[in-house]
Amino acid sequence: KAGVTQTPRYLIKTRGQQVTLSCSPISGHRSVSWYQQTPGQGLQFLFEYFSETQRNKGNFPGRFSGRQFSNSRSEMNVSTLELGDSALYLCASSLKAGGPNEQFFGPGTRLTVL
Amino acid sequence: GENVEQHPSTLSVQEGDSAVIKCTYSDSASNYFPWYKQELGKRPQLIIDIRSNVGEKKDQRIAVTLNKTAKHFSLHITETQPEDSAVYFCAATPSGSARQLTFGSGTQLTVLP
Repeated sequence: KAGVTQTPRYLIKTRGQQVTLSCSPISGHRSVSWYQQTPGQGLQFLFEYFSETQRNKGNFPGRFSGRQFSNSRSEMNVSTLELGDSALYLCASSLKAGGPNEQFFGPGTRLTVL
Repeated sequence: GENVEQHPSTLSVQEGDSAVIKCTYSDSASNYFPWYKQELGKRPQLIIDIRSNVGEKKDQRIAVTLNKTAKHFSLHITETQPEDSAVYFCAATPSGSARQLTFGSGTQLTVLP
C-alpha cells in the first residue's frame, strides 16, 4: 500500500497570505490528524477528521482550519499567516474510529513564512 | 489536558550499549502510548506502542514498559547500532480522544561507533 502523501512538500509565503495544505491518507484509512512541528514547541496536535467531521481540535487559533472529503483526503488552511506559523505540518492517518490505534505520518509540508 | 514529559533531551551511547528514554504523563485515563523515531528530514515512524492493559512489550531490540500507577513509561533499546541515531518521541492519548496524540519533547539519541 502507498503511504500517507502530502502536497506540496515545501511552501514559502509572506505574512498575511493564506495557505492550503493537502493530505492523502493510506488507502482504507478514514481518520486524518494534523500536527505542527517546530523546534520550540515540538509536535502539537491541530485537529482530527473522521468521516468528513472534525472530531477533536487542539489549542490553535481559528486561523487554522481543515476539512475532509468523502474520499478521506484532507486539507488544512491557515489564513493571515504569521511568522510563527513557519513549521513542518504533518498529517497522520489511522484505520478506524473506535479506540486508540496506530497513526502513520506523511512526509510533511515545510511552510516558511517571510 | 494531557501533559507528557520526556527525559533526557539528549543521550549519547557507545555502539552495543543500551539506551533508556523515560516519559511521564498526567492524565490517568490515557490508554495508548506509542513511540516514534524521526530521522533528520524524515517523517516520524512508529517503532513500538503499548496499551494500558499491558505492562511490557518487546520487539527484537526494542522494548517498552508501562507503570500505570506511577504514570510513566519507558523505551529500552538494547545492542544499539549507529542507525538507531535519531530523535525519539513518546506520546500519550488523552481520554476520549483516541487519535489526538500528546507528544513528549523528544530525545536526540546518538550512537557512537
